[in-house]
This record gives sequence, structure tokens and C-alpha cells, in this order.
Amino acid sequence: DAKTTQPNSMESNEEEPVHLPCNHSTISGTDYIHWYRQLPSQGPEYVIHGLTSNVNNRMASLAIAEDRKSSTLILHRATLRDAAVYYCILRDVEGGADGLTFGKGTHLIIQP
Amino acid sequence: DTEVTQTPKHLVMGMTNKKSLKCEQHMGHRAMYWYKQKAKKPPELMFVYSYEKLSINESVPSRFSPECPNSSLLNLHLHALQPEDSALYLCASSQEGWTEQFFGPGTRLTVL
Repeated sequence: DAKTTQPNSMESNEEEPVHLPCNHSTISGTDYIHWYRQLPSQGPEYVIHGLTSNVNNRMASLAIAEDRKSSTLILHRATLRDAAVYYCILRDVEGGADGLTFGKGTHLIIQP
Repeated sequence: DTEVTQTPKHLVMGMTNKKSLKCEQHMGHRAMYWYKQKAKKPPELMFVYSYEKLSINESVPSRFSPECPNSSLLNLHLHALQPEDSALYLCASSQEGWTEQFFGPGTRLTVL
């Protein structure tokens, strides 16, 4: 999987939007951008994924740059439950069952 | 049923013991995975099974032996482990190799 770069940590206030950036300058044309998060003492949890267009689901939105070299995960209204480590991972749709390569991720802290 | 279950939740074993970790999913997923996560580190891929066949072994020592008896079940047999093998062992499954992965809560393993 191609490499991604994320800030080590970010802090936000409860009920405010959060924008989590991810840089992936070496992304290839068949790489999907996946986001997972891991809450304390739990296994990772899938959040969202996209290829070129912006994506929305019940958990978050994914904004993808036009050149696809960066993306932003948007939590529209953060709650304390959103405090977690967020991982941005590139997945090659032609890669088959090759597992996930986790980077260090962004530790999101939510202040009440 | 959209969850991955893992048993036991916690396991303490001596270096001469033999034990097994169990993972089960009933979502009809054809790919299953074992990951290892040390404290404050991201998960690291160990093994991938695709259609019940081992497709990836990330150079894991032979004291870890995976087994996939059927499409719903994944085991990890442990023998002669070292204290540095103490970690959270996570199981995951996915419909296909590149689709989103569903993780279990993990087994917290302590080797004395």
C-alpha cells in the first residue's frame, strides 16, 4: 500500500466540526482512500472510503482533492465518543486480500 | 449478524503452554485476517486467509500457527511464546480482499 502522512494528534471541542487531513502524494489510480478509527480498548472500525468524488455516510464525510494527493475526513459535529485514533489507509482495488497497512494515525482529542 | 467475535477476551499463558485464539464471523465474508497490536502502536498484519486458504504470512514466527477450518472460523494456535509476544490480537473479516474490514474486539494476551 502507498504511504500516507497524518498529524500525530489534533484537538477539538465537542459539538464542533473536525477536519482530519491526510497526505498521500504517491497514490496510484487504483488506490481507494479508506479511513478507520480505533476507540480506546476496541478493535478498529471502518469509517468511510472513496476514490475520486467526495463521499458522505452516517458517520462522516470524505473530501478528496482534485489531484487525489490529499484527503480530509470531516466529522460534522464531534462528540466525546469520537475521541479515537483515526487511520488513513490506501487500498489497491486490484490488490486482492492483502490486509491493511496502518500508519501511526491521528489521535483525536475531544474537549467537553 | 454484523459482528466478529473473538474468544477469549483475555489470556495469560506461560512460555511452555499451548493455547488457541478463536475468531468467528457469520457475515459470509471470504477473507479473514489476524493482526497484532502492541501497546500504543498501530495494528500490524500477521496472516491473511482468502477463501479458506492462507494467502499471506507476514514472516510471522512459527510459534504462531493459523488455521481456517471453515469460512466462518479462524484460529490462531500459540506454542512456546515469548514475553515480547504479549499484545492485543485482532481478527478481522471482509467480503472481498479490498472491501471494508470488520474487526473483532481482540484478545489481550499476556505471556509470562
